[in-house]
Amino acid sequence: AQSVTQPDIHITVSEGASLELRCNYSYGATPYLFWYVQSPGQGLQLLLKYFSGDTLVQGIKGFEAEFKRSQSSFNLRKPSVHWSDAAEYFCAVGNNAGNMLTFGGGTRLMVKP
Amino acid sequence: EADIYQTPRYLVIGTGKKITLECSQTMGHDKMYWYQQDPGMELHLIHYSYGVNSTEKGDLSSESTVSRIRTEHFPLTLESARPSHTSQYLCASSENLRGSGETQYFGPGTRLLVL
Repeated sequence: AQSVTQPDIHITVSEGASLELRCNYSYGATPYLFWYVQSPGQGLQLLLKYFSGDTLVQGIKGFEAEFKRSQSSFNLRKPSVHWSDAAEYFCAVGNNAGNMLTFGGGTRLMVKP
Repeated sequence: EADIYQTPRYLVIGTGKKITLECSQTMGHDKMYWYQQDPGMELHLIHYSYGVNSTEKGDLSSESTVSRIRTEHFPLTLESARPSHTSQYLCASSENLRGSGETQYFGPGTRLLVL
């Protein structure tokens, strides 16, 4: 069975600082990996996804993520955080077709001025 | 940009009422999904559909039911709402892009409060 762990429930960073959100997954084959962002009271917006190929994936809003098979990780990064990035971030792993997603518990990001 | 809609966005209703949460997508996606999300918690799949007249239960047991009579429409029904049904319900759809897997696109959600 596939599973996702996001070890950090809350993270607070200062505006302009760099950000890394951790995601560890468990899946028996090559995973399909996703990062979504959810603003309060809203649905989920796709930030980026990894299916194959280059292990460093670029997404929207200046985010990137790196797939590390040896560490079973897919950490999300941003070099300089903006106040508008404050939201909840979900990592998800999909089956080999990518259509059955298992979500992590989410990381709530707060940004200090 | 995904075109998937959910109504109502917010619903407050009394115990025992029948409710239907609407979800529509204009992208022609065959696959659609319903997730339940408690505040600050992860999403749990409660129903999915791979096409018209196809419905399956997800990982999380739910007293709700779904139907898929038209490709674009995937309503969720609670015959008798209870306070334990209070949650946010998120609808999603996806298409299979050959060779590159699928991406699920989410609606804005319906926040349900049962008194």
